[in-house]
Amino acid sequence: QKEVEQNSGPLSVPEGAIASLNCTYSDRVSQSFFWYRQYSGKSPELIMSIYSNGDKEDGRFTAQLNKASQYVSLLIRDSQPSDSATYLCAARIQGAQKLVFGQGTRLTINP
Amino acid sequence: GAGVSQSPSNKVTEKGKDVELRCDPISGHTALYWYRQSLGQGLEFLIYFQGNSAPDKSGLPSDRFSAERTGGSVSTLTIQRTQQEDSAVYLCASSLPPGLPPDTQYFGPGTRLTVL
Repeated sequence: QKEVEQNSGPLSVPEGAIASLNCTYSDRVSQSFFWYRQYSGKSPELIMSIYSNGDKEDGRFTAQLNKASQYVSLLIRDSQPSDSATYLCAARIQGAQKLVFGQGTRLTINP
Repeated sequence: GAGVSQSPSNKVTEKGKDVELRCDPISGHTALYWYRQSLGQGLEFLIYFQGNSAPDKSGLPSDRFSAERTGGSVSTLTIQRTQQEDSAVYLCASSLPPGLPPDTQYFGPGTRLTVL
């Protein structure tokens, strides 16, 4: 099993709807999770970090961590065309500083 | 303040040549990371520096890859005798020291390496 797994999509959501992105992880990762957004041809940009069980909200973005089920998700409310990008889920490996990344989910918001 | 910078932004080289990629981290970030992103492999860790030492080199794919960091700042990643499979975007990231929040890694714009 890979340390971090994501559905590669593509995921298509109408403008104004909620986009839900999911990620599962293995026992080899620590409890530090990150969501990065990557536009085509650009480098990853941090959207959210989450370390504790439950929800963390920042504007239109909500990260959810469920340690019992070993998944972390990102919800984007009131989706905008500018949210169209690839979203990367990342986690820190236990006992290390490096991040491991999922394959990324390509999200398209349709006007 | 300035973010992570990398140079060159693009590099085209011939198979067998050596290349050197440069990363300048955010000021005050003692932790520096190199990653590689290619179509088939996603984003992969290569090496981690804390100050000038590299406690984790576990991601370097072969002995053709090496990296150094001097003065606790700029880092160079060197690939010797490049192969076509080395073609990828090489990303550098930096962060505050471990244990000092936030532990977010901030990425530079990357160097796109193409080996012909």
